[in-house]
Amino acid sequence: KNEVEQSPQNLTAQEGEFITINCSYSVGISALHWLQQHPGGGIVSLFMLSSGKKKHGRLIATINIQEKHSSLHITASHPRDSAVYICAVVDYGGSQGNLIFGKGTKLSVKP
Amino acid sequence: DVKVTQSSRYLVKRTGEKVFLECVQDMDHENMFWYRQDPGLGLRLIYFSYDVKMKEKGDIPEGYSVSREKKERFSLILESASTNQTSMYLCASSFGGLLYQPQHFGDGTRLSIL
Repeated sequence: KNEVEQSPQNLTAQEGEFITINCSYSVGISALHWLQQHPGGGIVSLFMLSSGKKKHGRLIATINIQEKHSSLHITASHPRDSAVYICAVVDYGGSQGNLIFGKGTKLSVKP
Repeated sequence: DVKVTQSSRYLVKRTGEKVFLECVQDMDHENMFWYRQDPGLGLRLIYFSYDVKMKEKGDIPEGYSVSREKKERFSLILESASTNQTSMYLCASSFGGLLYQPQHFGDGTRLSIL
């Protein structure tokens, strides 16, 4: 079951470029997470949103509930942004606290 | 800050061994989760617990069991390790309640079964 689809799977950018990662989902959701996983393995939460847009530094996340689509944007990308970015949704019908994960987008930013 | 601590970053075990992966959180979270992460498959839920001594199967519980004797600690047990259980294992925790609360993840344990 591919309830959460991310694109692209892999992305290589030059330092300074504007980056967009997309997430589409097919289930009804109560919230959507964007997560970041560095090569060491630990995962940190970047955003949790259920409508509109959120911004934190050079990161912007948007969600369109009607279209079941979210985007993560990185402005002025930097090599330290190199990581795997994971979209995860909170399914209305799922058990409490369960997430449905996308397969991730591996971003590499070259200096 | 929430701290979710997994006992090992890297672990190498042999086929047939009983393997314990430990996870401790320091924020009095009700919910705790065990995931495995494999290339091309993403994160998959193995088991979760919403209270002490309570557990629920996730998407891939076969070959695993869990234990939650204390609120802060959630253990994943591989009863008889097999090579197809070589993977990255991630623990997470969150507050309980009716509304979704963000999950906080540990740094992961990379387990190799030889």
